[in-house]
Amino acid sequence: GDSVTQTEGQVALSEEDFLTIHCNYSASGYPTLFWYVQYPGEGPQLLFRASRDKEKGSSRGFEATYDKGTTSFHLRKASVQESDSAVYYCALRYTGNYKYVFGAGTRLKVIA
Amino acid sequence: NAGVIQTPRHKVTGKGQEATLWCEPISGHSAVFWYRQTIVQGLEFLTYFRNQAPIDDSGMPKERFSAQMPNQSHSTLKIQSTQPQDSAVYLCASSLNGGVSYEQYFGPGTRLTVL
Repeated sequence: GDSVTQTEGQVALSEEDFLTIHCNYSASGYPTLFWYVQYPGEGPQLLFRASRDKEKGSSRGFEATYDKGTTSFHLRKASVQESDSAVYYCALRYTGNYKYVFGAGTRLKVIA
Repeated sequence: NAGVIQTPRHKVTGKGQEATLWCEPISGHSAVFWYRQTIVQGLEFLTYFRNQAPIDDSGMPKERFSAQMPNQSHSTLKIQSTQPQDSAVYLCASSLNGGVSYEQYFGPGTRLTVL
């Protein structure tokens, strides 16, 4: 079955550090890929999505590039802030299908 | 736009009691989804309604869990005879329709604790 793997369960950084959260997927077709962010006490909210190979999604300084060759969608940010502390989820969905497959999530803690 | 509203935000029940969770989707959204979130299992799909009709309940535990959408402004998730393993955050999401082009907007969730 389809799956999403996030390598890092937790990441701790200092402000202005560079962030990478790895996301790899296994899918039989050509899914749309998503990054969601969840702050404490809130539901997940969409950061951005990408639907095609080599398409870059970006929002709030975060970015990720759809790479079909390596089946990856790694999240990056050049300089994190304390306010970026949250849980980040990588997910996939197929066109015409409402079901997400979510990764396990990565908890980011940024220390001022 | 108040977003997706979920009530209560926290619920504590004793083992064997019933729990009913409420969701009010964003006005005009025809698709409503329920998810369960735990540390061990992460985010799990439970069930999906479109235009109030149940479309897919493949994620629902077959016993004790049921969901309804009696009108376009609210949906309920009912858990009968709650067990400690039902403790989780239950998230409701809505979207304009169920297609992948439309973002799912999540509510803040209801944290259910079964003692």
